[in-house]
Parts: sequence; structure tokens; C-alpha cells
Amino acid sequence: EVQLVESGGGLVQPGASLKLSCVASGFTFSDYWMSWVRQTPGKTMEWIGDIKYDGSYTNYAPSLKNRFTISRDNAKSTLYLQMSNVRSEDTATYYCTIGVGYFDYWGQGVMVTVSS
Amino acid sequence: DIAITQSPSSVAVSVGETVTLSCKSSQSLLYSENNKDYLGWYQQKPGQTPKPLIYWATNRHTGVPDRFTGSGSGTDFTLIISSVQAEDLADYYCEQYFVYPLTFGSGTKLEIK
Repeated sequence: EVQLVESGGGLVQPGASLKLSCVASGFTFSDYWMSWVRQTPGKTMEWIGDIKYDGSYTNYAPSLKNRFTISRDNAKSTLYLQMSNVRSEDTATYYCTIGVGYFDYWGQGVMVTVSS
Repeated sequence: DIAITQSPSSVAVSVGETVTLSCKSSQSLLYSENNKDYLGWYQQKPGQTPKPLIYWATNRHTGVPDRFTGSGSGTDFTLIISSVQAEDLADYYCEQYFVYPLTFGSGTKLEIK
């Protein structure tokens, strides 16, 4: 069974950094592109970016590429999202997903709240 | 960026009725080389994770009931839910994956009368 389990969220102050993790199981992680998608409290869905199966290439939403970095460790079947200089508008539930474009599987999500 | 517009923002129907949800793109999502529309639909029930429904505009994801039908091409797409069931109460989102950045519509909330 495919499982994606995100962690690392919580309450963080504006300007701080945060690193989210997504541990994958039930499939060969190193064979798949992976992506991050977020959903704001108002339900707006926003694609953050994706990473090639070997970690050699990434794509980002232009509005986020200067502050967010996606990486992966195939040996640990883990996807990461490094968030820096976070802002209140980064408050959202962050989902780890399999694939690029159309998302077959989603994690349960991890909530990030940016507030002082 | 490609803008995706969904309508209506919310709709209420009775069990057994048919409902049509609209999704319009600011640019064509049809790739002529393979004749595929790069458009997907997702269902998000209250308190749950989004679940895939439809890919390539018309293909049902594994396990999706056949009362869910995706149609359309180019810039205009629809999701038709026939014989709506109480369990279909959810938000429905469409997403274009034709070009980066990938973009989602704002969703349609389906309520049951």
C-alpha cells in the first residue's frame, strides 16, 4: 500500500525557517518524480514544485522559488521541503504527492502556521 | 500562468439528481502531438485529503464510480456527477498540468439538499 507521511509542521514565527519531510513507502520511491502542493485555510490549492526521481532537477512556482527548496534522499525514501523566511501567507496544509502534473497519491498533509 | 476558473463556487442538489461542474482554462490544454488534454479533477471530502478522480480530462482514476464523468477539450471542461449520492458531498477541484506552473481552480463545493 502506498503511503506518504508528512512531518515537521507546526507554529513558526515570521522570518523563520522550517523543513518538512515526507516519508514514502509501498512503492519504489527512486522511480518517481515527487511534488509538494499546499492548501490555504481558505481552501486555495497551490502547486509548490516538484523534483525528478534522481533529484537532479526541480521546478518551482515562480512566487516561491526564492524561498522554498525541494530535495530528496532516495536511500531514506524521503522527500523534503525547506522553507525559509516564512510569511503569514505561507500558513497552509502542505501535501506531499507522487507524480508530476497529475497527482495519483497524496499524503495526509502537515499544517504550518506562521504567526508571531 | 494559466488561469483556471471553476463554476459555480457552490451548488446544492438532491440525492439522485445530476450535477454539472465547469472548469475553464485561459489557454488550451490540448497537446496536439498526443491529442491529450492536460486536465485533472480531484475530490476532497470534509476533513480529508484530496483524491484523484479524473485525468487526461476524461479518464476515471482507478476505483472511481462511473457516475463521475469528465468531458471537454481545449479550454472548456466539465465534471458530470450522475445520480448524486450523499457521500459525494465534497469540494471538487480541477487542475491543469499542461505547463508550469501547474495551477488549480478555486473549487466547487457540492452540497446535498
